[in-house]
Amino acid sequence: GAVVSQHPSRVICKSGTSVKIECRSLDFQATTMFWYRQFPKQSLMLMATSNEGSKATYEQGVEKDKFLINHASLTLSTLTVTSAHPEDSSFYICSARVRGQEGGKLFFGSGTQLSVL
Amino acid sequence: GQQLNQSPQSMFIQEGEDVSMNCTSSSIFNTWLWYKQDPGEGPVLLIALYKAGELTSNGRLTAQFGITRKDSFLNISASIPSDVGIYFCAGQLGGNEKLTFGTGTRLTIIP
Repeated sequence: GAVVSQHPSRVICKSGTSVKIECRSLDFQATTMFWYRQFPKQSLMLMATSNEGSKATYEQGVEKDKFLINHASLTLSTLTVTSAHPEDSSFYICSARVRGQEGGKLFFGSGTQLSVL
Repeated sequence: GQQLNQSPQSMFIQEGEDVSMNCTSSSIFNTWLWYKQDPGEGPVLLIALYKAGELTSNGRLTAQFGITRKDSFLNISASIPSDVGIYFCAGQLGGNEKLTFGTGTRLTIIP
């Protein structure tokens, strides 16, 4: 149980294009999903917290107009990197908390490697 | 954002050896979690700790929630090749709050 599916696993795009990453909880409902960014050999840095049916909460320094988050249902959250540039190239990982189990456990997707040319 | 300090940053061990790593914070947490990440993958939850002083095992892995609430420890006994990866600790203050991740410990097994 508690499987989080993230798609795509890898994407290469041209500078200036937008990229959408999907995060789905397959066998549970997730009231809260989190989006992280990870640079090579570094830890996970939280970008934003996404709650179903409400606006995402962004961490300091993360541009909300650049990284659009939509949490339309209890099983799906999307991250759209708008007008991507090479400096946006990174490993993006989503995670989800099981609804009704707010005991801290987060389950992670397999990540999306974004490369902007 | 805030990060937890993990030690050591990297470890090079031989198969069969035991491994110890720790995670320290300047502030207290009420939940400690340990994750393992393989290259190109998302982190996988290993152990969750909810009470100061708690000692929890998951197979060859044992983790402890420090009594001060500012640290946690992870031990791996009799390491095997599939233990290779990066281990992250994570702390959480409240049940609905975000996780703060450690800086990671990279484990390598020398042939």
